[in-house]
Amino acid sequence: ILNVEQSPQSLHVQEGDSTNFTCSFPSSNFYALHWYRWETAKSPEALFVMTLNGDEKKKGRISATLNTKEGYSYLYIKGSQPEDSATYLCAFSDNAGNMLTFGGGTRLMVKP
Amino acid sequence: KAGVTQTPRYLIKTRGQQVTLSCSPISGHRSVSWYQQTPGQGLQFLFEYFSETQRNKGNFPGRFSGRQFSNSRSEMNVSTLELGDSALYLCASTIVGSIGEKLFFGSGTQLSVL
Repeated sequence: ILNVEQSPQSLHVQEGDSTNFTCSFPSSNFYALHWYRWETAKSPEALFVMTLNGDEKKKGRISATLNTKEGYSYLYIKGSQPEDSATYLCAFSDNAGNMLTFGGGTRLMVKP
Repeated sequence: KAGVTQTPRYLIKTRGQQVTLSCSPISGHRSVSWYQQTPGQGLQFLFEYFSETQRNKGNFPGRFSGRQFSNSRSEMNVSTLELGDSALYLCASTIVGSIGEKLFFGSGTQLSVL
């Protein structure tokens, strides 16, 4: 059983704050690391898929980095807005097939 | 382009019954995977189908089964329901199911077992 851990479990920030959270995964047999945003009452939405050590991805104010050798990925949100409030999930795969192990998520709440 | 459609949105069943959930992927997507979300647990992988064949299976008992039709629509069946099967069941689709593809999720089916 693969262990994918996310920290912190939850986070409260003020509008305008920048924040980051961590996804830890096994450092052997790496194939891909996914990030998803899951807003309440909606479907999870893909943010990034990263497959190479050192990958950095950016989408607007959100960016992610990947270190496969040490088994972690960071997600950064610059200048948080209330609409960023959601649960952020990472998912790891150690095989080429479409089979992901998800972490427990980081619940972000941004106060106006 | 229509998204991933799951039906029904909500289901209430009693212990011992069986249930079938449906998932229609995005047009052109041939891979459908299923996940279970329970309180306190992350999304857990159930199985993945591609071109009517199950390619991957998670660590769930045989009461959980699925199939995929020639139009890529997929169904998931749970027999002899237990209280612990109460969960949100999500399906997701991708074009060919490679690990480098982003998953497109449906809205889920909320199953309550009484």
